[in-house]
Amino acid sequence: NAGVTQTPKFQVLKTGQSMTLQCAQDMNHNSMYWYRQDPGMGLRLIYYSASEGTTDKGEVPNGYNVSRLNKREFSLRLESAAPSQTSVYFCASRAPRAYEQYFGPGTRLTVT
Amino acid sequence: DQQVKQNSPSLSVQEGRISILNCDYTNSMFDYFLWYKKYPAEGPTFLISISSIKDKNEDGRFTVFLNKSAKHLSLHIVPSQPGDSAVYFCAATLGWGKLQFGAGTQVVVTP
Repeated sequence: NAGVTQTPKFQVLKTGQSMTLQCAQDMNHNSMYWYRQDPGMGLRLIYYSASEGTTDKGEVPNGYNVSRLNKREFSLRLESAAPSQTSVYFCASRAPRAYEQYFGPGTRLTVT
Repeated sequence: DQQVKQNSPSLSVQEGRISILNCDYTNSMFDYFLWYKKYPAEGPTFLISISSIKDKNEDGRFTVFLNKSAKHLSLHIVPSQPGDSAVYFCAATLGWGKLQFGAGTQVVVTP
């Protein structure tokens, strides 16, 4: 099992450009999450999907959109990137009736 | 408003000694608490957890203590090893759902 995979690993964007971060899990988990990690801030939830077909906003959703493509895949889109979106982005998934989330390796995004 | 706080950004400990990481929370409704470990350029990995109905949970060298009246939990690592050098995040949740993370504590284990 690969667990949670994320692509790309690194990305540099110019202000105003768009991109989609991809996430896939092979653990048959229902719930999936997108976080961003900034220095001194811990991980903050951007969006989550409790099950296939549903998505909800987290703590910091502004400037992002998500798509739960199927049970395995949950993508995060930046429509018009801003320097404030420079961060490390983590995708995670969680099994039903479990508390722990399993994280992917992250995407380091720089917006200039 | 940060509901989970880790007030020590860093901790240095000698190999073989005890590492104690602290975490405070403000929401008394949290019912489950978790610790994650993170190495550079990797995602966080689950380490140990505790339910709010317990006050201690142990797994090998790792023990988590929960003091509900003080809204405080701590992670003890005994003995500390060089491979324990990482960032440790405390997290809390209400039911099976969203995790609230602290800012993390960087642990450095020195020889």
